[in-house]
Amino acid sequence: GAGVSQTPSNKVTEKGKYVELRCDPISGHTALYWYRQSLGQGPEFLIYFQGTGAADDSGLPNDRFFAVRPEGSVSTLKIQRTERGDSAVYLCASSLQPSANTGELFFGEGSRLTVL
Amino acid sequence: KQEVTQIPAALSVPEGENLVLNCSFTDSAIYNLQWFRQDPGKGLTSLLLIQSSQREQTSGRLNASLDKSSGRSTLYIAASQPGDSATYLCAVYETSGSRLTFGEGTQLTVNP
Repeated sequence: GAGVSQTPSNKVTEKGKYVELRCDPISGHTALYWYRQSLGQGPEFLIYFQGTGAADDSGLPNDRFFAVRPEGSVSTLKIQRTERGDSAVYLCASSLQPSANTGELFFGEGSRLTVL
Repeated sequence: KQEVTQIPAALSVPEGENLVLNCSFTDSAIYNLQWFRQDPGKGLTSLLLIQSSQREQTSGRLNASLDKSSGRSTLYIAASQPGDSATYLCAVYETSGSRLTFGEGTQLTVNP
């Protein structure tokens, strides 16, 4: 596709359940980012991939959160034992090169997670 | 730790008015700054990217300026239209890595 694609667009789950959120970046983009946005706030950085490896995962809030990008394209954000405080919009972005090297970021429309 | 602040938090103007949105950041050692637009329930759309060596960028009715030394950027919107109603987010690229640090946004409403 032409843009960053995220699925599902909406996910409602119960506290304690496991959730996976998928991101399909723009073709050819080597850098991929996950951000989390709470209502009325700006997005907060979670993790950054360059190719298959996580170059910076310092934004992950705790060990319940994990992300993978096994083939350097699609990425999956995994959340274990979900809590109500995990409710937010999870945004994925990609860029042709790392943003620190003037790579412009392109965002998907996000996955809205609601934990009941 | 880098902090980004956007003022005002909300702005309502009549159609046709020129307006300025402000962004400030605490650590002037940034690579680039990017302005985004976000419509309700949607993702972020990139508006303008200013590299650290540049002072401004223009796209149509939008003009963004960057003053690294004072830690400020402004987004100027000329002849505002109701379709410009959205939340505008400012974000800086930190030198220590590849993360973006966002402000909380300015919610703009342009009234017909």
